[in-house]
Amino acid sequence: DGGITQSPKYLFRKEGQNVTLSCEQNLNHDAMYWYRQDPGQGLRLIYYSQIVNDFQKGDIAEGYSVSREKKESFPLTVTSAQKNPTAFYLCASSSSGLSRETQYFGPGTRLLVL
Amino acid sequence: DQQVKQNSPSLSVQEGRISILNCDYTNSMFDYFLWYKKYPAEGPTFLISISSIKDKNEDGRFTVFLNKSAKHLSLHIVPSQPGDSAVYFCAASVWGSSNTGKLIFGQGTTLQVKP
Repeated sequence: DGGITQSPKYLFRKEGQNVTLSCEQNLNHDAMYWYRQDPGQGLRLIYYSQIVNDFQKGDIAEGYSVSREKKESFPLTVTSAQKNPTAFYLCASSSSGLSRETQYFGPGTRLLVL
Repeated sequence: DQQVKQNSPSLSVQEGRISILNCDYTNSMFDYFLWYKKYPAEGPTFLISISSIKDKNEDGRFTVFLNKSAKHLSLHIVPSQPGDSAVYFCAASVWGSSNTGKLIFGQGTTLQVKP
């Protein structure tokens, strides 16, 4: 049963704390993406990776970091530098990361600040 | 600078009628468009897509129309069902020198189908 899993479903962050959101896929996709959704807004791209050990900044990368050590995993760290981290975070993947491809999404992680 | 716009935040239709969701874009380099459906607290689900070489694509109850000269696309759902009630996002793929599949999303339109 192929798909994308994200954990945890809810995550709480204290002031000054770094937190890491997990994203795993077993679709054998090369490309993976992280998006952020705020109320009343569309999805905005944080980071993306087209191949293992390589990733690129998206439109709102400040305050975030990623790694891509394995093809199936693309964790996102929300650092203390991200001043407004409360949002719904979505991970996606696509076959090769080229244009004209469909991206498939995980169920999301909601991050809340205490 | 909103390159993909969904100007109607919400739409309400009666069950069995047609739902028409609209999307406008500004970047003429977009060459692939997608519609996603999203329920609260879940990830978006791919619905239908269209390449810029076509002006229409159909999949069951869902049809997407593309008007390149007007930089406008629309999603038609016929007949609408209560289970279609969700937020619908249009997205566009940028064709650039890096050939990446970055998607630019609209703000979403909340569709409510009343029984």
